[in-house]
Amino acid sequence: DGGITQSPKYLFRKEGQNVTLSCEQNLNHDAMYWYRQDPGQGLRLIYYSQIVNDFQKGDIAEGYSVSREKKESFPLTVTSAQKNPTAFYLCASSRRPEGNQPQHFGDGTRLSIL
Amino acid sequence: AQSVTQPDIHITVSEGASLELRCNYSYGATPYLFWYVQSPGQGLQLLLKYFSGDTLVQGIKGFEAEFKRSQSSFNLRKPSVHWSDAAEYFCAVGAEGYSTLTFGKGTMLLVSP
Repeated sequence: DGGITQSPKYLFRKEGQNVTLSCEQNLNHDAMYWYRQDPGQGLRLIYYSQIVNDFQKGDIAEGYSVSREKKESFPLTVTSAQKNPTAFYLCASSRRPEGNQPQHFGDGTRLSIL
Repeated sequence: AQSVTQPDIHITVSEGASLELRCNYSYGATPYLFWYVQSPGQGLQLLLKYFSGDTLVQGIKGFEAEFKRSQSSFNLRKPSVHWSDAAEYFCAVGAEGYSTLTFGKGTMLLVSP
């Protein structure tokens, strides 16, 4: 079945450490997105990519970095500059990067600080 | 830019009772509207979407939503709630010329026996 796979499901970060969250899709979608979810704050867009080798900052990009070297993959790195990284991270994709396209979501990665 | 408001943070409904979750959007032209559901620790699942045409949209799991341009609303409804409907519900809006969706902050649905 086609879908989006996020790994790991749970991740722990030590102070000063960078960690990378994986997101893979086999839907042949052009666009991919990363969201951060905190209780009561809904989904906040971190980065998105409309096409391979291109990405744009979302509303809360500081302390995060991404790459899009392959159409199927859009990993997110949470750097040590992100001072409050504890959250639930969701990856999504859509067929095209347009406002009329529904987004399909992975099951998320929960990141915690040790 | 578009925006979405879900006025209710929590709603409690008795099992078997009807449900209406509110969503108001702000956008000058015709928006593209979506409702998603999220179970604890899971990703979001698309319930239904509205692009144009019939203002009453049917979705999965017995949900429907009605687009009311005059009220800038897209409320989600279900005639009879089941305990398995307990989850968080998100309304989202997209627009022509934009590459992303804007999500509301969500409404947590609790179902009482």
